[in-house]
Amino acid sequence: EDQVTQSPEALRLQEGESSSLNCSYTVSGLRGLFWYRQDPGKGPEFLFTLYSAGEEKEKERLKATLTKKESFLHITAPKPEDSATYLCAVYYSNYQLIWGAGTKLIIKP
Amino acid sequence: DSGVTQTPKHLITATGQRVTLRCSPRSGDLSVYWYQQSLDQGLQFLIHYYNGEERAKGNILERFSAQQFPDLHSELNLSSLELGDSALYFCASSPGQPQETQYFGPGTRLLVL
Repeated sequence: EDQVTQSPEALRLQEGESSSLNCSYTVSGLRGLFWYRQDPGKGPEFLFTLYSAGEEKEKERLKATLTKKESFLHITAPKPEDSATYLCAVYYSNYQLIWGAGTKLIIKP
Repeated sequence: DSGVTQTPKHLITATGQRVTLRCSPRSGDLSVYWYQQSLDQGLQFLIHYYNGEERAKGNILERFSAQQFPDLHSELNLSSLELGDSALYFCASSPGQPQETQYFGPGTRLLVL
């Protein structure tokens, strides 16, 4: 079954404590993997698109990487304003976009 | 600001009623997508329109319908509303196909009483 699984469901970190969020997928013919950030009650905000294994992209304290089975969103020295739910979505050969359930990240000052 | 606009921002109505949610895509985008997000739930894909034509359907109830007009704005119609339809409804747009980045609007918060 084609699916996207994000882990952990929730993550609490101290300010400055680096960590990684995981997005694993079981689909055939990956065409693209997307990372979004969503603040409570707001629309998801686009962060990154990754298209092939080995690809990496960075933006401020965030770095996204992609392998053949999963993607990681690395957060370096996070700040309280990085608190949000991080969503990943996978576009694959069935011309469908599957969304993960998200990881709720809380950064405590 | 993503460039996608949605109206209204909030909507309170009663069970059994019908409402219409409106979405204007980013300038130049031909695709519009509708999503439902219930409290503390993930995004549920409802439907995708491309240049006025329906391209894909997700978990959309028969009580729900949508259309995209020649000026590319889209409307999502929800009828015979039930308490469980209370949710955030998001519209997203992209230049063409789902493999392209989707940009989300601010959402419409629907409360059915």
